[in-house]
Amino acid sequence: KNEVEQSPQNLTAQEGEFITINCSYSVGISALHWLQQHPGGGIVSLFMLSSGKKKHGRLIATINIQEKHSSLHITASHPRDSAVYICAVIIYAQKLVFGQGTRLTINP
Amino acid sequence: KAGVTQTPRYLIKTRGQQVTLSCSPISGHRSVSWYQQTPGQGLQFLFEYFSETQRNKGNFPGRFSGRQFSNSRSEMNVSTLELGDSALYLCASSLVTGHTGELFFGEGSRLTVL
Repeated sequence: KNEVEQSPQNLTAQEGEFITINCSYSVGISALHWLQQHPGGGIVSLFMLSSGKKKHGRLIATINIQEKHSSLHITASHPRDSAVYICAVIIYAQKLVFGQGTRLTINP
Repeated sequence: KAGVTQTPRYLIKTRGQQVTLSCSPISGHRSVSWYQQTPGQGLQFLFEYFSETQRNKGNFPGRFSGRQFSNSRSEMNVSTLELGDSALYLCASSLVTGHTGELFFGEGSRLTVL
């Protein structure tokens, strides 16, 4: 079983819909990253969080360390949000372990 | 402010050869970490360097090695290449060690092993 599980693996939605991507992990962590990867490979860091909630524009990330779960929400989704979203957990400030990614497609 | 620069962007090698990839971090960043991305295994952590010292290492064989120079530029080397080493190799720089700060990724070096 993978240490980090994301769901769903693939998500297709219409422009304007509210999007939720989930990340569950089975190990103790100190914090978690949400990353965005566009076709071609470039990765952009969206959030790093260890507790509570963070918001940046239309993106919101939440984490519950005790329940070993984090969510990434996108409000008013847009075709430019189409990308692969990856969560990565930091284990004891040493290793970074990645989820398998969620491929999001937003249709106009 | 210049971003993270990886060179070369693309390269083709044959089995048994070795390869060296380079990563220049954002000015002022002392942490450089390396990752391998393949369709089958996804993203996997290789190692992290901070102030010229390897701080953390993932579960890869000894054929994968790296180093960091005094100007924070880092290189990774893969010796005795295998077909399974074909991958996108990404580096990321950060102000702090242990992945506990914002990560800034390069565009990657795509290695094909024939």
